[in-house]
Amino acid sequence: DAKTTQPPSMDCAEGRAANLPCNHSTISGNEYVYWYRQIHSQGPQYIIHGLKNNETNEMASLIITEDRKSSTLILPHATLRDTAVYYCIVRVEETDKLIFGTGTRLQVFP
Amino acid sequence: AAGVIQSPRHLIKEKRETATLKCYPIPRHDTVYWYQQGPGQDPQFLISFYEKMQSDKGSIPDRFSAQQFSDYHSELNMSSLELGDSALYFCASSLLTGGLRDEQYFGPGTRLTVT
Repeated sequence: DAKTTQPPSMDCAEGRAANLPCNHSTISGNEYVYWYRQIHSQGPQYIIHGLKNNETNEMASLIITEDRKSSTLILPHATLRDTAVYYCIVRVEETDKLIFGTGTRLQVFP
Repeated sequence: AAGVIQSPRHLIKEKRETATLKCYPIPRHDTVYWYQQGPGQDPQFLISFYEKMQSDKGSIPDRFSAQQFSDYHSELNMSSLELGDSALYFCASSLLTGGLRDEQYFGPGTRLTVT
């Protein structure tokens, strides 16, 4: 499985956009980029995933560079409830398991 | 919407005892996964089952075993418990659709404390 690199922590003001970067320079053609988050020891929560096109859902947007070596998760209007550890995971579609890295601890402040 | 159910939510055991954790997947989901998260660590994949057969295996100790039953619920059995087994244990479920696996949905976890 391809390895991902994320900054250990980030801050964001409430109401502003939170942009969380992820590097996955060794990603293969059939590997997807998944984002999950974990709020204070709760079960990880699925956010979004993509292969090569940008994706948007009700929670966030995912921007994947053309070479697919990096991506950015965007929370358009961060709230205090978005404070969590955000995990960027590269996953082969046929593979069962998720390999969690160290993630980015996002702190949203008032 | 129905979510993944795990029981018990908290469990305290002594060293060398056994523990059984249960997971009830989202209705119609055919795949169950188990993850272990030690204190201050990230979740680590243990094992998964698809249609009652083991489909993938991670760093699961030999003292642990798991199975998926005909109603798709799963149980993680842990024997000869050690202090280092103290952790959060998450179960997740997903559905195989058209040959592609959907995203995993996680339960609230079982906090196991071994004393």
